This record gives sequence, structure tokens and C-alpha cells, in this order.
Amino acid sequence: NAGVTQTPKFRILKIGQSMTLQCTQDMNHNYMYWYRQDPGMGLKLIYYSVGAGITDKGEVPNGYNVSRSTTEDFPLRLELAAPSQTSVYFCASSIQQGNYGYTFGSGTRLTVV
Amino acid sequence: SQKIEQNSEALNIQEGKTATLTCNYTNYSPAYLQWYRQDPGRGPVFLLLIRENEKEKRKERLKVTFDTTLKQSLFHITASQPADSATYLCALPNYGGSQGNLIFGKGTKLSVKP
Repeated sequence: NAGVTQTPKFRILKIGQSMTLQCTQDMNHNYMYWYRQDPGMGLKLIYYSVGAGITDKGEVPNGYNVSRSTTEDFPLRLELAAPSQTSVYFCASSIQQGNYGYTFGSGTRLTVV
Repeated sequence: SQKIEQNSEALNIQEGKTATLTCNYTNYSPAYLQWYRQDPGRGPVFLLLIRENEKEKRKERLKVTFDTTLKQSLFHITASQPADSATYLCALPNYGGSQGNLIFGKGTKLSVKP
């Protein structure tokens, strides 16, 4: 099993550009999450999904959008990129919301210049 | 919402010693607490989950304790090895019990010297 796969691994964006971070999992997990990790700040939840067609905001959703058309895929969209969105983005999935460990992808390092 | 404190940013120990990492929470009592390992440039990897009715959990050289009175979890690595060098994160539900998504501490960077 591949687990959680994120693409791209690295990306440099100019201010105002848009992009989609891809995330796919092959474990048939209903729950999926997007976190961002900044140096010294820990992981912050951006958006999450409890199943296909259902998404909800996390702690830091501004500037991002998500969709969940299938169980496997949970893309994160950045519209009008800003320097504050420079970060490492991690996608994760789990069988249930809690009481089970999360499986994380290897991350996307995004720089907005 | 919940707040987590991992009160050591970095911990340096000698190979063969026991590493002890601390995780404190300040508000709601969680139904469980999780520990993850993160290597540079990689995503966190789940290690252990301990539930509120479990005082202690073990997995190979790892041991986790959970003291709901102190609002604290301790993470121990016995007979530490240089390969154990990584950042260790604790995580628990945002709203207490099993409610809410996981929030993560900032992590403790462990360095094991040969």
C-alpha cells in the first residue's frame, strides 16, 4: 500500500498565483485532513473531511479551499497565494476522527515569493 | 479549545540512556493521547495511543504514561540509540473527551549522541 501520497513535493509560487496541492490515500479511510507546519509553531489544521462530499474548516482555513469528490482524494486549493502561506503542508487520513492514529503524507514544501 | 505544552524544545542524551519527554495539556480532559515521531523533511509517523483509563502503554523500547490528575503524559525511550534522534510530537482531541480533531504540540527534538 502506498498510504497517503502528496504531490508536488516542492513548489515556488509568485504572489497572487494559484495552485492545487494533491493528496490521495489508498487505505479507504473516511477521514482526511490538511495541516500546515511552520517552524516552531507545530501543526495547524486547515480543513478536514469526514467522508466524500463533506468538508469543514479547521483552525486556519482562510486563503484555502478543499473538495472531496471521492474517498481517495482530498485536494487543497490556494487562491491568490500570499507570503504568509509559505509553509510545509501535510495531508493525513484516519479510520475515524480519533482513537486511531493518523497516517501522514510526506508533505509539500511551498514557498510564496 | 485545548492547549498542549511540550516543555522541552530539545533534549540531548547519551546513547544507552533513557529519554523522557513531557506533554502537558491545560484545559479539557482527553479520552486519549497520541505520540508521533517526525524526521526532518518527512511527515509525522504514529507511534502510540494511550487511553484515559490506561496508566501505561508499552511498545518495544517505548513507554507512555498518562496521568489525568497531573494533566500530563510522559514518553520514554529506553536504551536510546542514535537512530532514535527525531522530533516527537504529542497530540490529543481539541475539545476534550474524544471530541474534535487532533491538535499537536510543537514537539521535542531528541538528539542521541553515540
